[in-house]
Amino acid sequence: QVQLVQSGAEVRKPGASVTVSCKTSGYTFTTYDINWVRQATGQGLEWLGWMNPNSGDAAFAHRFQGRVTMTRTTSTSTAYMKLSSLTSEDTAIYYCARGKMGGSFDSWGQGTLVTVSS
Amino acid sequence: QSVLTQPPSVSEAPRQRVTISCSGSSSNIGDNPVNWYQQLPGKAPRLLIYYNDLLPSGVSDRFSGSKSGTSASLAISGLQSEDEADYYCATWDDSRHGYVFGTGTKVTVL
Repeated sequence: QVQLVQSGAEVRKPGASVTVSCKTSGYTFTTYDINWVRQATGQGLEWLGWMNPNSGDAAFAHRFQGRVTMTRTTSTSTAYMKLSSLTSEDTAIYYCARGKMGGSFDSWGQGTLVTVSS
Repeated sequence: QSVLTQPPSVSEAPRQRVTISCSGSSSNIGDNPVNWYQQLPGKAPRLLIYYNDLLPSGVSDRFSGSKSGTSASLAISGLQSEDEADYYCATWDDSRHGYVFGTGTKVTVL
């Protein structure tokens, strides 16, 4: 079955960077986009961007451009999201999700809590 | 601030029907298919409806979706306690060149 398994919780100081990994299995990694979505405590869902695992091409929400990068290692079917220049407002659960045609996300990782605190 | 507006909460008794609205604009709902996600407390979101009205495998047919113009709706019939969750609509926004989520609706089963 399709699975997306994310790396564990992280704590960072303001100004630092964090990288979250998303290891996939149960399907051909290069045939579906990977999206990243975050959720602050008690808040709604916010899309950060997507990556094409086949080409490595990526696109990001305007507010994260310049601060987020998305990469992958095809040999291990793993996607990565790096967010830089962290502030307390980046404290959230970060999810990876597989993208389907029509723009829906049909499988999600379990989430990774990133806490930014001095 | 989300560009897709949902009611913050809806509540209804068991076995009844609820409808959740999602209001957008011509650059998002008006021009792209709408998806709905269910998020149970403490869990990751789950795809509930895709391409406006299609159910993924394994999703109960008590859930249904529709779209008209710049608005979409999610209906839950035969409400059950296990349906208590947050529900989000979502679609692509051509103006923002990005995927946008609704503000979210909390469903409570009385």
